[in-house]
Amino acid sequence: AQSVSQHNHHVILSEAASLELGCNYSYGGTVNLFWYVQYPGQHLQLLLKYFSGDPLVKGIKGFEAEFIKSKFSFNLRKPSVQWSDTAEYFCAVNSMDSNYQLIWGAGTKLIIKP
Amino acid sequence: EAGVAQSPRYKIIEKRQSVAFWCNPISGHATLYWYQQILGQGPKLLIQFQNNGVVDDSQLPKDRFSAERLKGVDSTLKIQPAKLEDSAVYLCASSGQGSGYGYTFGSGTRLTVV
Repeated sequence: AQSVSQHNHHVILSEAASLELGCNYSYGGTVNLFWYVQYPGQHLQLLLKYFSGDPLVKGIKGFEAEFIKSKFSFNLRKPSVQWSDTAEYFCAVNSMDSNYQLIWGAGTKLIIKP
Repeated sequence: EAGVAQSPRYKIIEKRQSVAFWCNPISGHATLYWYQQILGQGPKLLIQFQNNGVVDDSQLPKDRFSAERLKGVDSTLKIQPAKLEDSAVYLCASSGQGSGYGYTFGSGTRLTVV
């Protein structure tokens, strides 16, 4: 069965620090990869997605993620975080074999200290 | 385009009472999902509809949960009777036909069972 691992459950950074959140998945076939963000009290929003092509994907709000097929990874990065990036971040994958159901990681709570 | 609409936003009920949630997906989206998100966890799929047919309800606790999507548009999710452990956010999401393109989520209904 497919699964998604997010290595850090909680991350605390100061403003302007660089961010990298890890995401690994277990599935040998073709996958679509997603990062969602959930700001406090708000609904899940899509940050970025990868289907094919350039493995470096740019998303909203200065986020990017790199798909490394050999490592089954899709890590999220941002060079300089802001206080407003405080949120929970979820990595998810789907595939035709999963009937395009999203398989979710457990999430990473990011707290940015002003 | 209008987003996924859900109501109510909040609901507090006593255990053993019943409750219903409503979802109106994005116009033209064939696939509709109901998720349960318990605090600190990733979303858990309860049921997936394709038009008005059920694609997957393997994780729906059918002794107390039911869902329908009449006419392939709006959907309702019902819990009867509610238990304390049903306290969660109930998310509705929709996606286009045969899509691996991720979903659009509604704002969710926060259910508290006391």
